Amino acid sequence: NAGVTQTPKFQVLKTGQSMTLQCAQDMNHEYMSWYRQDPGMGLRLIHYSVGAGITDQGEVPNGYNVSRSTTEDFPLRLLSAAPSQTSVYFCASSSLGRRNTEAFFGQGTRLTVV
Amino acid sequence: KQEVTQIPAALSVPEGENLVLNCSFTDSAIYNLQWFRQDPGKGLTSLLLIQSSQREQTSGRLNASLDKSSGRSTLYIAASQPGDSATYLCAEGGGNKLTFGTGTQLKVEL
Repeated sequence: NAGVTQTPKFQVLKTGQSMTLQCAQDMNHEYMSWYRQDPGMGLRLIHYSVGAGITDQGEVPNGYNVSRSTTEDFPLRLLSAAPSQTSVYFCASSSLGRRNTEAFFGQGTRLTVV
Repeated sequence: KQEVTQIPAALSVPEGENLVLNCSFTDSAIYNLQWFRQDPGKGLTSLLLIQSSQREQTSGRLNASLDKSSGRSTLYIAASQPGDSATYLCAEGGGNKLTFGTGTQLKVEL
């Protein structure tokens, strides 16, 4: 019962570097999303997907790219890391079958950009 | 745009006390109201989900209520225990498009 798995758990990047945060779920959920959590600001939606091949922007999409080639995976790419992207990143999934279904979250990736 | 507020930001209570955590939202046209628990350095664990057509949900010592007309949800924790110490987050939305409050950090002291 893995649920939502995020890798890596911790990462330090230098400004300008690129990287991909991985997210995988084994619950056959259609919905997947990425959030960032910053002190005093709560979680904010970056990008989301309602199924393979379909993605859309959330509240804070700038500087991030996503793609959804399979139901299971939803990677988040930082194109050119900036110190403002220092944050904790959470991936979530839920079932599309009924809209009133709970969201399941991964354990998070703590990213520091220096 | 939906805005979600949680007050207070922090709360400390003695063990055994019953307590209420508050969540307010600005747009009454909600999908769901979901309560989460977050332990330090960990992910979010779903506690209760109240659908827009429901008034409350219960799980063990937890009871969550929803009043759309007043834009409020409450999470009631009965007979609090030190293991309940965590940050509690509420979120409004459907699917994975959730709008979160900033959370209430709860400490239950022996």
